[in-house]
Amino acid sequence: QKEVEQNSGPLSVPEGAIASLNCTYSDRGSQSFFWYRQYSGKSPELIMFIYSNGDKEDGRFTAQLNKASQYVSLLIRDSQPSDSATYLCASSDNYGQNFVFGPGTRLSVLP
Amino acid sequence: DGGITQSPKYLFRKEGQNVTLSCEQNLNHDAMYWYRQDPGQGLRLIYYSQIVNDFQKGDIAEGYSVSREKKESFPLTVTSAQKNPTAFYLCATHHTRGQGSGFNHQPQHFGDGTRLSIL
Repeated sequence: QKEVEQNSGPLSVPEGAIASLNCTYSDRGSQSFFWYRQYSGKSPELIMFIYSNGDKEDGRFTAQLNKASQYVSLLIRDSQPSDSATYLCASSDNYGQNFVFGPGTRLSVLP
Repeated sequence: DGGITQSPKYLFRKEGQNVTLSCEQNLNHDAMYWYRQDPGQGLRLIYYSQIVNDFQKGDIAEGYSVSREKKESFPLTVTSAQKNPTAFYLCATHHTRGQGSGFNHQPQHFGDGTRLSIL
């Protein structure tokens, strides 16, 4: 059973701090990894994707991938109350097949 | 405007009734998916389709049916056999063609969802 695991949270951080969201995956065939943000009552929206080992930065967001450890993370710098949402981690294989979503981590950024 | 349109936004089902949720896309994506999300929970795959006239069951297909008669449309019917249909239903699409090397790192894209409740 291919699984993507995340801590359900809630993860609470003060405004302006760095929020660190983590994700592990069981299938070594997984090659692409995606972070989605889902506000309460809304559909998931893509924030970032990564498929090479290392870091990928986009504005306040940094995705990190370590395939040897089967570990993906999302860092949110200068967290804002508007970042409060559930963050879903997802994986797929090299051909875009076998999408697997994690259960999501609820982030709360406190003013 | 390119995108994925789900309708209706809210739907109420009477006991013993079948209801159909619409999902239409103009992104020219080959693959389409239906997910169910219960409050505070993750996404669970109901059905998916990678080409027209073909679809596969996901993890929780019982009580649901789909069709894929054209590339743009992937309607989901919630049948009376689904005893607990109250949930948020999400349709997603995916661009399945490879990128030169054959690898595909494309994400899934989601519609705005349909919230189904029992009357």
